[in-house]
Order: sequence, then C-alpha cells, then structure tokens
Amino acid sequence: AQSVSQHNHHVILSEAASLELGCNYSYGGTVNLFWYVQYPGQHLQLLLKYFSGDPLVKGIKGFEAEFIKSKFSFNLRKPSVQWSDTAEYFCAVNARAGNNRKLIWGLGTSLAVNP
Amino acid sequence: DGGITQSPKYLFRKEGQNVTLSCEQNLNHDAMYWYRQDPGQGLRLIYYSQIVNDFQKGDIAEGYSVSREKKESFPLTVTSAQKNPTAFYLCASSIRDRLNEQFFGPGTRLTVL
Repeated sequence: AQSVSQHNHHVILSEAASLELGCNYSYGGTVNLFWYVQYPGQHLQLLLKYFSGDPLVKGIKGFEAEFIKSKFSFNLRKPSVQWSDTAEYFCAVNARAGNNRKLIWGLGTSLAVNP
Repeated sequence: DGGITQSPKYLFRKEGQNVTLSCEQNLNHDAMYWYRQDPGQGLRLIYYSQIVNDFQKGDIAEGYSVSREKKESFPLTVTSAQKNPTAFYLCASSIRDRLNEQFFGPGTRLTVL
C-alpha cells in the first residue's frame, strides 16, 4: 500500500534559519507530489507540486522542493524562514497509474518560527 | 469570488444525533472530497465523488454518508454510528482531469457532547 512519511512532526526555528522538511513515499511507479500548507486559522492551500520535468520545483513564498526518485523523497526547503511561515505542512502523493485518484497524505509537520 | 464554502464553522451536537455538514463550491469542479483531520493524524479521506450522482468510500467511511445530487454540493452526514465524531472536517474539490490538485474549504469543527 502507498504511504507517505514525514519525519519531523514538530520543528521549531528562529527567524532566518534554513528549513528542510522531509517527505518520503512508498510507491514504485510514477507519482505526483505535493506540499500543502495550513496557516493558523486559514484554509489548507497548495504550496507547490511536482508532476514531471525539472525535479526542483519552486512554490509560493520562497519555498522549493526537490524530487529525488531514487530516494523516493520530496523534501521541502526554504533558505531563510520568517515568523509568518509558522504553519502546518503536509506532504501528499498520488500514483498516476490506474484508477487511483486519491491523495495519500503524510501526518503533517508543525513548524513554529520564533521572531 | 470562486471558492469552497463550508458551514457552519463550529457545530455542536448531542451524542446519538445525526448531523449534516454543508460543502458548496462555485469553481465548476467535477470532483469533491471529504476529509477528517485529527491532531497528529493528518488528513484521512472519508468519501469522494468524481461526478454527480456517484461517490466512493474513502479510508474511513464507516459512520458517514454523503450525497451528490448537484455538481456544486457535497453534503456529509455524520451518523450516530460514527464512534468518535468529534473532529475537524475538510471539504475539497478538484478539476476532473487534475484530480490530484485539490482546493480546500475552511473546514467545520464538529464537537459531539
């Protein structure tokens, strides 16, 4: 069965620190990969996505993620975090083959950025 | 403005009562989804619908029911059979050929007393 693992459940950083949130998935076929973000009191929204092409994808607010197929990973990065990045971050994966049209979600990582 | 609305934002019910959560979208999306979000458990899929008058069970459908009579609407009923109904419920939708990229509503927090 497909699964998504987010290694860090809670991360606390100071402003200007660099961020990397891990995401690994278990599926051997072609995948679509997503990072969603849920800011306090706001809707869950798409941060970035990978469908094909350049494995380094850029998202909103300076976030980027790199798809490494050999490692089944899609880690989220930001060089310098801000207090406003405090949020919950979810990695999600969907296999493109067959009729599987469900997103498989990681458990989320709660990021707190101290000013 | 296009988007997904869920109402109410907070809902309280007595144990043993059925309750229906509303989800409406004006994005002209074919597919709609219901998730349950619990602390530390991520998002778990309850039901989803790819077209009107059709829906499929997700991973935790027991104790829930849905209908999809209109493209814009996908109400979720939490029945008395759901053993632990207190949770945050999220509705989402997507374009049919981009079913992976989902747009979310603000959620309804249901508390069963």
